[in-house]
Amino acid sequence: GNSVTQMEGPVTLSEEAFLTINCTYTATGYPSLFWYVQYPGEGLQLLLKATKADDKGSNKGFEATYRKETTSFHLEKGSVQVSDSAVYFCALRVANNNDMRFGAGTRLTVKP
Amino acid sequence: EAGVTQSPTHLIKTRGQQATLRCSPISGHTSVYWYQQALGLGLQFLLWYDEGEERNRGNFPPRFSGRQFPNYSSELNVNALELEDSALYLCASTLFAPLHFGNGTRLTVT
Repeated sequence: GNSVTQMEGPVTLSEEAFLTINCTYTATGYPSLFWYVQYPGEGLQLLLKATKADDKGSNKGFEATYRKETTSFHLEKGSVQVSDSAVYFCALRVANNNDMRFGAGTRLTVKP
Repeated sequence: EAGVTQSPTHLIKTRGQQATLRCSPISGHTSVYWYQQALGLGLQFLLWYDEGEERNRGNFPPRFSGRQFPNYSSELNVNALELEDSALYLCASTLFAPLHFGNGTRLTVT
């Protein structure tokens, strides 16, 4: 079936450290891939997306590349800030419909 | 454009009671999703409605039910509340992906 597996947390980093959160997927066809972020007390917000192989999504210094050969969509940021502390969710949309699957979420804490 | 709105923001119920949660999607969106988020982390898929019909249902007991109205707003009902139903319930809407989320209803069962 269609599913998303993401790196378990929590992840704790110092400010300006490099961030990687791993995400791999299983899907039939060619899904669209997403990263969502949830700040404390809020709902999820779309962070970035990629709709086809080799696409790179980017936003707010975060980026992720759709790798079909490794079925991965890892989230990276070169220098994290305290304000990046949040829970990050990887997600996929099954091709040609609105069936969405989410990973378990990874909590990131950035310390000054 | 107005975002996804959920009401109430907080809801406190006692065990055995019923809870009704409401969601208004973004104008033009026809699909509504409901998720349960316990312990501030993982999203558990509850229900997906599109064009007034239930398209998919997560692994929850039948006391979790809902509906989508002709104006695409949606309601989630939880009957015979149990303590473990305490969670943040998130609604999301879309026409085509991505999903747009509301800020949730915090349900507390005492």
